[in-house]
Amino acid sequence: AQSVTQLDSQVPVFEEAPVELRCNYSSSVSVYLFWYVQYPNQGLQLLLKYLSGSTLVKGINGFEAEFNKSQTSFHLRKPSVHISDTAEYFCAVSDKEDTDKLIFGTGTRLQVFP
Amino acid sequence: SAVISQKPSRDICQRGTSLTIQCQVDSQVTMMFWYRQQPGQSLTLIATANQGSEATYESGFVIDKFPISRPNLTFSTLTVSNMSPEDSSIYLCSVDQAGAGETQYFGPGTRLLVL
Repeated sequence: AQSVTQLDSQVPVFEEAPVELRCNYSSSVSVYLFWYVQYPNQGLQLLLKYLSGSTLVKGINGFEAEFNKSQTSFHLRKPSVHISDTAEYFCAVSDKEDTDKLIFGTGTRLQVFP
Repeated sequence: SAVISQKPSRDICQRGTSLTIQCQVDSQVTMMFWYRQQPGQSLTLIATANQGSEATYESGFVIDKFPISRPNLTFSTLTVSNMSPEDSSIYLCSVDQAGAGETQYFGPGTRLLVL
């Protein structure tokens, strides 16, 4: 069964600094990969997704992620964060053969300080 | 992407009672999903709801506790039955849109506190 590991439960960073949120998944079978963001007291919003093609995917709000099949990783990056990026970020994965089963990581709390 | 709404947005309930959460989508969708997010934790899939058939429940979730209805392609309900404080969570519905079956879009969630 798939599993997703987000090693960092919290990432504190100053405004305008770069940030990387790490995500590793367990299986080497063909997968779809997603990053969702949850702002305080809100639902989940899709940031970006990797389905196929270029391993570097760009999402909303200046975020991007790179799919690395050999490392089974899908790390999220932003070159310069803003206060408004403070939120919980969830990495998720599904098998291409069973896309209904979306497996979430435990989340990373990004806290941006002025 | 689909616009998803949930009612109620939040509620405080007494133990032993039941609450029905509604999920409405602005377009027809094949699959609807219900998730639970316990305080400070990640999302766990409760069940998948197809229109016209019984919901499929994940391990650890049963129909008696979480009955689900899916009367049409734009609407679903989740009932949390005989509630206890351990049911205090955020309940979210999601959909996968026609033509984008591999991507789930989420509603705003229902925040439930059971006293």
